[in-house]
Amino acid sequence: EVQLVESGGGLVQPGGSLRLSCAASGFTFSSYNMNWVRQAPGKGLDWVSYISGSGNTIYYSDSVKGRFTISRDNAKNSLYLQMNSLRDEDTAVYYCARGGRVEWSSLNWFDPWGQGTLVTVSS
Amino acid sequence: EIVLTQSPATLSLSPGERATLSCRASQSVSNYLAWYQQKPGQAPRLLIYDASDRATGIPAKFSGSGSGTDFTLTISSLEPEDFAVYYCQQRSNWPLTFGGGTKVEIK
Repeated sequence: EVQLVESGGGLVQPGGSLRLSCAASGFTFSSYNMNWVRQAPGKGLDWVSYISGSGNTIYYSDSVKGRFTISRDNAKNSLYLQMNSLRDEDTAVYYCARGGRVEWSSLNWFDPWGQGTLVTVSS
Repeated sequence: EIVLTQSPATLSLSPGERATLSCRASQSVSNYLAWYQQKPGQAPRLLIYDASDRATGIPAKFSGSGSGTDFTLTISSLEPEDFAVYYCQQRSNWPLTFGGGTKVEIK
């Protein structure tokens, strides 16, 4: 069974940092591109970042560019999101979501999703 | 950035009725559109990809259609577990974007 389990969320002050992790199982992790998607409380879905299977290609949304860093460790079947200079508007549930296979287009849908981890930025 | 506009924002229907949800793109996305279902407290689940292909395990009561800028998700006969929020998403261009969602609620 394909499974994605996020961790690392919590309460952080504005300007602070947090590192999210996503543990993947049930599939060949290095064969898939991965993403982070977030959802502010009571709001819609917002794509945050993409990383290719090898880690060589990375994209960010404009709202997080320069503050967030996506990375992966294929030996550990893990995806990460380092979040720095956090703002109130970064408060959201952060989902790890699998993209397409590495041989497909980098532009893809998300399937499956993890259960999410809540990040709250507040003083 | 491609903007996706979903309508209506809320759809009030009874079990057994047919639901028709709309997603309109600000520019052509070809057939590169997906639909997701999200229930309260749960992660989104992929229903439809590339406008009309059902994801693995998705029942035939869910169907998608459209191309270019106008897309439709149809639920043929609503069951209690289908009342949820539905989102569309385009994969035509970066950044990947979602619509604002349509809530299907029990009338």
